[in-house]
Amino acid sequence: NAGVTQTPKFQVLKTGQSMTLQCAQDMNHEYMSWYRQDPGMGLRLIHYSVGAGITDQGEVPNGYNVSRSTTEDFPLRLLSAAPSQTSVYFCASSYNRVSYNEQFFGPGTRLTVL
Amino acid sequence: SQQGEEDPQALSIQEGENATMNCSYKTSINNLQWYRQNSGRGLVHLILIRSNEREKHSGRLRVTLDTSKKSSSLLITASRAADTASYFCAENAGGTSYGKLTFGQGTILTVHP
Repeated sequence: NAGVTQTPKFQVLKTGQSMTLQCAQDMNHEYMSWYRQDPGMGLRLIHYSVGAGITDQGEVPNGYNVSRSTTEDFPLRLLSAAPSQTSVYFCASSYNRVSYNEQFFGPGTRLTVL
Repeated sequence: SQQGEEDPQALSIQEGENATMNCSYKTSINNLQWYRQNSGRGLVHLILIRSNEREKHSGRLRVTLDTSKKSSSLLITASRAADTASYFCAENAGGTSYGKLTFGQGTILTVHP
């Protein structure tokens, strides 16, 4: 199993550009999520999904869109990049069960917005 | 912010010593989890403790949970240089989104050889 994969690993954008961060998992996990990690801020939840066709907002959703058309994929779209979105982005997945929900993380995407 | 707090923010010890990190959280939890992050990498799950448990062990890791104080601690015994990493607690409130976690800000642990 590849686990959770993310592409690209690094990306530089100009203000106003759009892009999609890709995330895929091969563990048949129901739950997938996107976090951003900034220095001194820990991980903050952007969007999450409990299954195909179901998404919801996390703590910091503004400027980001998600969709979940399949169990495996959960792309994150930046609509119009801003310097405040410079961060490291992590995708994670888990079972959505009351007693078994440890999360598996991808390696991250380091995004710089100029 | 809904994030909990971790204490200390940074901890520096010698190999062989024990390291203790503390976490306070804000909500009623289903479980609390601890993760490790090596520099430049994604997070790796270490241990999960459920709300009806008070203590749990896994190898050199010992986790305690006090739901009355909304706090947890992670003890790493006989630390090694390879334990150098950031450590995060994450609270799971349950509800309909069982996978949803809220992370603390983390403790940076440095273990000197």
